[in-house]
Amino acid sequence: SQKIEQNSEALNIQEGKTATLTCNYTNYSPAYLQWYRQDPGRGPVFLLLIRENEKEKRKERLKVTFDTTLKQSLFHITASQPADSATYLCALDMDFQKLVFGTGTRLLVSP
Amino acid sequence: NAGVTQTPKFRVLKTGQSMTLLCAQDMNHEYMYWYRQDPGMGLRLIHYSVGEGTTAKGEVPDGYNVSRLKKQNFLLGLESAAPSQTSVYFCASSPQGGWPQHFGDGTRLSIL
Repeated sequence: SQKIEQNSEALNIQEGKTATLTCNYTNYSPAYLQWYRQDPGRGPVFLLLIRENEKEKRKERLKVTFDTTLKQSLFHITASQPADSATYLCALDMDFQKLVFGTGTRLLVSP
Repeated sequence: NAGVTQTPKFRVLKTGQSMTLLCAQDMNHEYMYWYRQDPGMGLRLIHYSVGEGTTAKGEVPDGYNVSRLKKQNFLLGLESAAPSQTSVYFCASSPQGGWPQHFGDGTRLSIL
């Protein structure tokens, strides 16, 4: 079955720096890959979707890359702010019906 | 616009009791999902539905049942609760498969 790896250790960075989070997967590549943000006590909120034939997607300060050769997606937040502190989840869409989620990486942005 | 609403928000049960978690969405979405989230395990899919009257098993369906009698509602039932079912349960919906999912804020369930 598909396995997704996200760094379980928290990522600590200073305000203004670029945060880079990694999502690695095994087996075959998904058709779509999605990134979500989750705040404590809340449900995940969708951020970005990237298709297997897209190399990069941007939305404001967010950028996602998708490398099917490396079986990896990178999620970047530029000019990070304390308000960006949250857990970020990647999710793979294998069959256009359901998602498989990673365990998430916690990001802490200090002033 | 409420989005996805989960009821109740918190609940404590005794082992062997039964209960139903309700998920309601007002976005006219076809697809609905039930997940559980445990520390270190991430979100795991319990059951899902691709339309009114349909249900399908996810990754961890044992001990749970679901029903989708109305398009806007997706019910998750625990027939005989066990301590291993202590978790945070999230409901989500999407317009169709492959689209982003909209999540509720979860039901925190403790089983003693």
